[in-house]
Amino acid sequence: DIQLTQSPSSLSASVGDRVTITCRASQSINSYLNWYQQKPGKAPKVLLYGTSSLQNGVPSRFRGSGSGTDFTLTISNLQPEDFATYYCQQSYSSLMYTFGQGTRLEIK
Amino acid sequence: EVHLVESGGGLVQPGGSLRLSCAASGFTFSSYAMGWVRQAPGKGLEWVSAFAGSDVGTYYADSVKGRFTISRDNSKNTVSLQMNGLRAEDTAVYYCAKYNGDYYFDYWGQGTLVTVSS
Repeated sequence: DIQLTQSPSSLSASVGDRVTITCRASQSINSYLNWYQQKPGKAPKVLLYGTSSLQNGVPSRFRGSGSGTDFTLTISNLQPEDFATYYCQQSYSSLMYTFGQGTRLEIK
Repeated sequence: EVHLVESGGGLVQPGGSLRLSCAASGFTFSSYAMGWVRQAPGKGLEWVSAFAGSDVGTYYADSVKGRFTISRDNSKNTVSLQMNGLRAEDTAVYYCAKYNGDYYFDYWGQGTLVTVSS
């Protein structure tokens, strides 16, 4: 099974900051990496798929990069609505799309 | 507009069974893979199971293999998760989700809570 490790597990930042979250896969997953945002009590929402493709309606301050085993999610100019938990997900293994453990982004 | 509505959650004793259902609307159900993802209280997301859109295969996480069974009824636009031999560690909110092609989950239900406790 493919394991995904996110870092950090949590981070604090201020409105207007830029933050980066890392996701490392236990084996190469090419570019089959997605990012989700989840707010308390809500279902997750996809932000980026295929490493860097922005889902419709997602602001351009969200950017994804990487390939193989190492990926990053960068959020520029943090807005109040961006404080949430972020998950990476691999879509390399036939429909068995496992998640990273999550990164909680809190307001400093 | 796509809608996914889960039902069937509740309180069950360890070793018991529960059947979750997800009613889908707003898209051609039979053309898409459907899955279940769960989230234990205060924990992260765990992919649980999937059923391919073309009915060619089912998939399970190791943690539920042999205990859970996913099924779908394309005539009723529903996907179900039969959960047997439930354990305390199966306590979670269970989400039904639609696969976008074979790449990511583009729609999710609101979730249904399963609590396994005596």
